[in-house]
Amino acid sequence: DAGVIQSPRHEVTEMGQEVTLRCKPISGHNSLFWYRQTMMRGLELLIYFNNNVPIDDSGMPEDRFSAKMPNASFSTLKIQPSEPRDSAVYFCASTLSGVNTGELFFGEGSRLTVL
Amino acid sequence: DQQVKQNSPSLSVQEGRISILNCDYTNSMFDYFLWYKKYPAEGPTFLISISSIKDKNEDGRFTVFLNKSAKHLSLHIVPSQPGDSAVYFCAARPNTGNQFYFGTGTSLTVIP
Repeated sequence: DAGVIQSPRHEVTEMGQEVTLRCKPISGHNSLFWYRQTMMRGLELLIYFNNNVPIDDSGMPEDRFSAKMPNASFSTLKIQPSEPRDSAVYFCASTLSGVNTGELFFGEGSRLTVL
Repeated sequence: DQQVKQNSPSLSVQEGRISILNCDYTNSMFDYFLWYKKYPAEGPTFLISISSIKDKNEDGRFTVFLNKSAKHLSLHIVPSQPGDSAVYFCAARPNTGNQFYFGTGTSLTVIP
């Protein structure tokens, strides 16, 4: 039973380069979330989608960040241009909204290092 | 603005003793609370949850307590085992949306 799948697991890039992180949610889940983990802020919600529609992107740091969900089985988080302060672990999570338990299932994360 | 706070970055406990991890929140609209466990290089995994209509939920060695008036919840692990060593995140969801807000995490070390 496949869980949430993220790629790449590790990305090292230079400042100014474009970074694209990818996520495949669990089949049948209709909500998808992007989180960023840092020491200072813990797991910080960046954006979430419900039925492929962005619902709340207030956590996106700035215009350099963008996220899309073209269909129910794929989402991307793009950073352009990247900066050293973007270095963090980015997690994608999915859930079936409307279910009372509301448990989030996380991927293994994408560790981004911007030099 | 951190709506969910875990003020203890780390905690060390002897094997067999009780571990108590604390979490405070500020938003009175939160009605569902969860604890997640995270090992290095892995994603967080769900541990236990509690609805705002309850004040306690127990699952084996893990118990979560909710004090709504104080806007405080805690996770008790009894007895603690070395395999429990991980980072624990507290999370909360408002009754008006599907967002999950997480704290900064507490790193638990259980000493054999």
